[in-house]
Amino acid sequence: GAVVSQHPSWVICKSGTSVKIECRSLDFQATTMFWYRQFPKQSLMLMATSNEGSKATYEQGVEKDKFLINHASLTLSTLTVTSAHPEDSSFYICSAWEGVTYEQYFGPGTRLTVT
Amino acid sequence: GNSVTQMEGPVTLSEEAFLTINCTYTATGYPSLFWYVQYPGEGLQLLLKATKADDKGSNKGFEATYRKETTSFHLEKGSVQVSDSAVYFCALSDSGGGADGLTFGKGTHLIIQP
Repeated sequence: GAVVSQHPSWVICKSGTSVKIECRSLDFQATTMFWYRQFPKQSLMLMATSNEGSKATYEQGVEKDKFLINHASLTLSTLTVTSAHPEDSSFYICSAWEGVTYEQYFGPGTRLTVT
Repeated sequence: GNSVTQMEGPVTLSEEAFLTINCTYTATGYPSLFWYVQYPGEGLQLLLKATKADDKGSNKGFEATYRKETTSFHLEKGSVQVSDSAVYFCALSDSGGGADGLTFGKGTHLIIQP
């Protein structure tokens, strides 16, 4: 099946710094990718929809200036958490939409800890 | 807005037991419904889906029927195995395959004991 990777799998950063998370579709092209956030024992919350070559669409309540999304190619989307604070610590998961099978394929997630 | 409610775990069963994980939803239109499974250290995988009322999704012995009248999509399996131990997420989308993004339940941790 289709494979989506994320890098890094976990990252620790200091408060005030920025961190970038990559999401790649390894064996298919994805015009649309999604970014989710998951708190402990909570559901995945859709943060934004990333479309190749255009601006991301953010869900209500998600700060677009804090969570910068770039989808510069058909296989790569990046999420940059700017000026990170401890409350940004979470598990970030991306998925990619596969237009042939009409399915979303999920990456394994990135654990972000802000100290 | 859309929402999904599923029973919270952990759910602990013995091997070969019957499994039901309840899922109900709230949606404004006619959503597509999904069950995803997450094994330790791996990303979510689609287990099954149903795109319209009365559809039954099935895969690997798991089944779920889209019940519009009760707004439910309960997951069932007749005889569970240790290898079924995982976290199961119920989800919905306003589009057929989730092209618009998914709304998830909180997940149910299933533990199968030999």
